[in-house]
Amino acid sequence: EIVLTQSPATLSLSPGERATLSCRASQSVSTYLAWYQQKPGQAPRLLIYDASNRATGIPARFSGSGSGTDFTLTISSLEPEDFAVYYCQQRSNSPPMCTFGQGTKLEIK
Amino acid sequence: QVQLQQSGPGLVKPSQTLSLTCAISGDSVSSNSAAWNWIRQSPSRGLEWLGRTYYRSKWYNDYAVSMKSRITINPDTSKNQFSLQLNSVTPEDTAVYFCARGALGNNWFDSWGQGTLVTVSS
Repeated sequence: EIVLTQSPATLSLSPGERATLSCRASQSVSTYLAWYQQKPGQAPRLLIYDASNRATGIPARFSGSGSGTDFTLTISSLEPEDFAVYYCQQRSNSPPMCTFGQGTKLEIK
Repeated sequence: QVQLQQSGPGLVKPSQTLSLTCAISGDSVSSNSAAWNWIRQSPSRGLEWLGRTYYRSKWYNDYAVSMKSRITINPDTSKNQFSLQLNSVTPEDTAVYFCARGALGNNWFDSWGQGTLVTVSS
């Protein structure tokens, strides 16, 4: 099973600052990686898929990069509504499965 | 716009069967480009994919290895919905359960149900 490790566990920043979140896979996942945002009491929301494609309706301040084992989610200038927990997720075919990272909590400094 | 509406009991006794349903609007359970997934979330296990059903000229199911002996996901084309059954539950199965559509070519979860907290307790 592919393990995803996210860092840092918690990131404390102020609105307007740049956020950089990391996700490392235990083996290569090519670009089969997605990022989700989750707020308390809500389901996760898809932000980025295939490592760098923004999902429908996602603001341009969110961007994803990386391939293989190292991936980054960048939020260029934090808005108040961006403070949440962020998860990365990979999918594989043999056997078919999906795994999630443990999450990074982005909190207001 | 796709909407997923979950239903089912919030309390299940140990050793019994957990059953949840996810009703789909704005898409079809028989879509040739989507998959219909169940995912759960707990403080101890985080987000955990359980399995999926999808139609590509015939029906397919994929299940997480850890669930394979206990899980069934079935489509219901007459009601445009799909269901989860998890047998022989224990308190470790206590979690928030989500249904989700997998799409965008690689089963990325682009629409989610509202979540159902299921507690396993006597």
